[in-house]
Amino acid sequence: DADVTQTPRNRITKTGKRIMLECSQTKGHDRMYWYRQDPGLGLRLIYYSFDVKDINKGEISDGYSVSRQAQAKFSLSLESAIPNQTALYFCATSEQPQETQYFGPGTRLLVL
Amino acid sequence: AQSVTQLGSHVSVSEGALVLLRCNYSSSVPPYLFWYVQYPNQGLQLLLKYTSAATLVKGINGFEAEFKKSETSFHLTKPSAHMSDAAEYFCAVRAIGTSYGKLTFGQGTILTVHP
Repeated sequence: DADVTQTPRNRITKTGKRIMLECSQTKGHDRMYWYRQDPGLGLRLIYYSFDVKDINKGEISDGYSVSRQAQAKFSLSLESAIPNQTALYFCATSEQPQETQYFGPGTRLLVL
Repeated sequence: AQSVTQLGSHVSVSEGALVLLRCNYSSSVPPYLFWYVQYPNQGLQLLLKYTSAATLVKGINGFEAEFKKSETSFHLTKPSAHMSDAAEYFCAVRAIGTSYGKLTFGQGTILTVHP
């Protein structure tokens, strides 16, 4: 079984709709991250969380929000989706001290 | 501040040839360095990492990378390419001593392996 899972794997939505992407992990890590991947741009950090009570903005948080429901669950929401949020979204986890990150399989989002 | 530059967005090699993927980093403090691989329709998988121990790091699938502080480089190599190595490769840096484990990723290099 995968240690980091993401649902859905693929999603098509329309401009203005609210959607939620979910991430669950069984690695027991405290730290979780949301990234988006765009061709030629690598991965960019949206939000990260050190524990259930600690949420922090990354470099491209505008238009996104997150919720850390439990140590194992970290959700990303697009309050009002727009076409330039079309991307591949990854969840990741890590633990101290070396902070190797472990990635989920990704969610491919298309906003029409 | 930290940054990563991967030289060459696409690299093409023949099966059996040397693979060399270039990564240069910038960091104001000693870094941890990582190489990740992404196979089609999959997430990122850790290939290898440098965490201030040996400068030559061996990873999975026959890959290795050498940390060269004087050149601020962490190039990825494999002596003999295999068709299954075709994927996108990402170099990432994390500054040691920062308050959180933020990774900064390069833009990625797509490796194509020809028969």
